[in-house]
Order: sequence, then C-alpha cells, then structure tokens
Amino acid sequence: DVKVTQSSRYLVKRTGEKVFLECVQDMDHENMFWYRQDPGLGLRLIYFSYDVKMKEKGDIPEGYSVSREKKERFSLILESASTNQTSMYLCASSLLGLAGRSSYNEQFFGPGTRLTVL
Amino acid sequence: RKEVEQDPGPFNVPEGATVAFNCTYSNSASQSFFWYRQDCRKEPKLLMSVYSSGNEDGRFTAQLNRASQYISLLIRDSKLSDSATYLCVVNVGYGGATNKLIFGTGTLLAVQP
Repeated sequence: DVKVTQSSRYLVKRTGEKVFLECVQDMDHENMFWYRQDPGLGLRLIYFSYDVKMKEKGDIPEGYSVSREKKERFSLILESASTNQTSMYLCASSLLGLAGRSSYNEQFFGPGTRLTVL
Repeated sequence: RKEVEQDPGPFNVPEGATVAFNCTYSNSASQSFFWYRQDCRKEPKLLMSVYSSGNEDGRFTAQLNRASQYISLLIRDSKLSDSATYLCVVNVGYGGATNKLIFGTGTLLAVQP
C-alpha cells in the first residue's frame, strides 16, 4: 500500500512565523505535490516536484517555497505565515506521468495538515 | 471559466436512489479523467478512472464525452456509506514528464436513511 505521511495533523502558528510542513512517501514516486484546500475553492496546487531538487510552481505559489532534497521527502515552507494561509494542506505523490497511461496519474494523498495562523 | 466545473450540491437522496453527477472541463488537450471521493475531514482517494468507452465498477458508472468535454458519474442503489464529496479530476500533463491534476470543487452527496 502506498503511504503518504504528513508531519502534523493540526498546527497553530502566529503571524510572521516560519512554518515547515513535511511530507514523506514510501513508494518511490517521482512526483510530489502540495495543495491547499479551502471551502468553495477546492484543491489548489501550490508547488510540485518531479525529481529531487526539481520544483515547479503551481497555481498559487506566492508566499510559499518548497524543498526536495530526497526523493521520498517534499517540504512546504511558509517563510512568514499570514492569516490568509490558514487552510488544510494536502501532500500527494504519484508515479512519473506517461501520456495515455492514466494509471500513472493517480495521486495518493496524505491525511492533511490543518494549519491555523493567528 | 473554471478549468473543471461541477455542481456543488448538496444532493440529498434516499437510500436505494440513483444519482448522477456531471462535470465539464475546459482544456481539450486533457488526456486522463478521474473521479475521486473525499469523506468528511479525510484526504481525497481515487474512486475510478474514466475511459473513453465508459466504464463501470459495481454500482458506479463513469462516462466521458470528449466532444462536449463532459464527464459523468452515476451511482445506482445508493448506500449510506456513499455519502461523501465527489471530485471530478482532469489531467493536464506537460509532455508526459509530469501529471498535473486539476480538481473540481466537488459535489456533496448525502444519502438519507
């Protein structure tokens, strides 16, 4: 079974703090993703990575950075947390995508981290 | 226009009912289509992929209409355990190297006893 774990289920931080969210997957997946999920807006992609040390901006990268030093680990960093970053953060992983091979596209999600910034 | 659009619901149906969800997508280059299920306060999980010819998995049937850029999910004989949010998901790959998924905002289904 694919397992994606996230370092915390619940996190409370103060405005201006630096926040690290960690994600680890155990299936040797090439791709890893960070999303945030907000009511009415659905899942929005923040950053993704398709290889160690590689990263690509998603749809809402502002205020975030990422780090992928090892294949199994993908970290999301909030350099200076703000109240509008209060959200549910979901990490996911998948195999490298191949055109026409939908089985490679399935993303496996971690349980999520509910971050509250006060 | 949103890249993936769904009716947010909620759909309140009695046990045993048949319910259908629809979804439209805007990128005609999309190659892969999925329905994910998300239970309350849980992470999304793949329910089924959607193939061009349509596909069935037990009580669930998915259809794809590429010409209309439209995806559907039909649930027959609804169970209480089907209550969840159903996410329509479309792949927008980049040259096969990655697979970026676009998620709809979800349709909430509540099956009533």
